Amino acid sequence: DADVTQTPRNRITKTGKRIMLECSQTKGHDRMYWYRQDPGLGLRLIYYSFDVKDINKGEISDGYSVSRQAQAKFSLSLESAIPNQTALYFCATSLLGGNTQYFGPGTRLTVL
Amino acid sequence: KNQVEQSPQSLIILEGKNCTLQCNYTVSPFSNLRWYKQDTGRGPVSLTIMTFSENTKSNGRYTATLDADTKQSSLHITASQLSDSASYICVVSASGGSYIPTFGRGTSLIVHP
Repeated sequence: DADVTQTPRNRITKTGKRIMLECSQTKGHDRMYWYRQDPGLGLRLIYYSFDVKDINKGEISDGYSVSRQAQAKFSLSLESAIPNQTALYFCATSLLGGNTQYFGPGTRLTVL
Repeated sequence: KNQVEQSPQSLIILEGKNCTLQCNYTVSPFSNLRWYKQDTGRGPVSLTIMTFSENTKSNGRYTATLDADTKQSSLHITASQLSDSASYICVVSASGGSYIPTFGRGTSLIVHP
């Protein structure tokens, strides 16, 4: 079984809809991250969490929110999706104090 | 502002040939540098990690070098294979603080038979 899983893997939705992307991990890591990837722009950090009670904004948090339900679960929400949020979204985890990040398989989101 | 620049943006080589990818960074104070490989449609996977005191690190046919003085790193791929076709991402972390790494935009490598 994969250590970091993301659901759904693919999602097509319409402008204005609320969307939730979920991430679960079995690595026992404290730190979790959400990134989006657009062609030519690389990975950009949306939000990150160092433990269940800690939530921090990344460089592109506008239009997104997150919830850290447990050490193993970190969800990303788009309250009112817009077309320029069409992208590939990755969840990642890392050990407290360590830097190697372990990425999930990604969620391809299309907003029409 | 911490930045990581990679070159070339894309590269096409023939199977069996060698290639070198470049990474320049302005992250300070430097802690470590990682190279990740990202296959199409998948999440990145760490290839190598280098700290300030390390000049070279190998992982099979992948060899990373680091010059902390000039703030440059390279990833050399020897005897390329079709499976090396991927995006290679340079990631640099600063010491102290929150350990949030800075990502480069990646080099897209295509290996043709």
